[in-house]
Amino acid sequence: LAKTTQPISMDSYEGQEVNITCSHNNIATNDYITWYQQFPSQGPRFIIQGYKTKVTNEVASLFIPADRKSSTLSLPRVSLSDTAVYYCLVGRPNSGGGADGLTFGKGTHLIIQP
Amino acid sequence: GAGVSQSPSNKVTEKGKDVELRCDPISGHTALYWYRQSLGQGLEFLIYFQGNSAPDKSGLPSDRFSAERTGGSVSTLTIQRTQQEDSAVYLCASSLESASGRGGEQYFGPGTRLTVT
Repeated sequence: LAKTTQPISMDSYEGQEVNITCSHNNIATNDYITWYQQFPSQGPRFIIQGYKTKVTNEVASLFIPADRKSSTLSLPRVSLSDTAVYYCLVGRPNSGGGADGLTFGKGTHLIIQP
Repeated sequence: GAGVSQSPSNKVTEKGKDVELRCDPISGHTALYWYRQSLGQGLEFLIYFQGNSAPDKSGLPSDRFSAERTGGSVSTLTIQRTQQEDSAVYLCASSLESASGRGGEQYFGPGTRLTVT
């Protein structure tokens, strides 16, 4: 079971770029890396997913080095509304059953200040 | 389109009572997940259904917890003889497992806040 390690909390300011790094030393060959965002009193919301190198969508970018033992979620020009908890997941449930990749952990609490 | 829905949104029950929590996944999603989130904590995986495969129950904390999924759609999580430590938000998610091997993007419902008094 791949285990992830993230900082417990981070602070930044509006307009800055924020990078949150997740360590996953035991990532398996078939594992994907997925990031979710959670606001208080809501369920998590998918942000981005990747396997290697770089993935970018309208919300964020995900950087994955060649060894895939870590990944970095990059949020460009954050605003106050980006204050949330961010979770990194590694792996996926396989079609035959198996809950690998369903360990959300405590995530990173990102606080954006004016 | 409609997202994942859960009911009730809030449930207060007395210690020792049984409760049932319901999840309606997104139509067509073959995978369904239940999680539990205690105040200030991360999500704790409970159980996972994928198509017609046997569910992965490895996250259920005790035999007081059970879940079923009827017709590959609606799921019910049942907690028998509730205890105060069962108080938490119970979240359901569903995903469209693709054949490409990508991890399924999970869509979460709003959760059911369970309070055991």
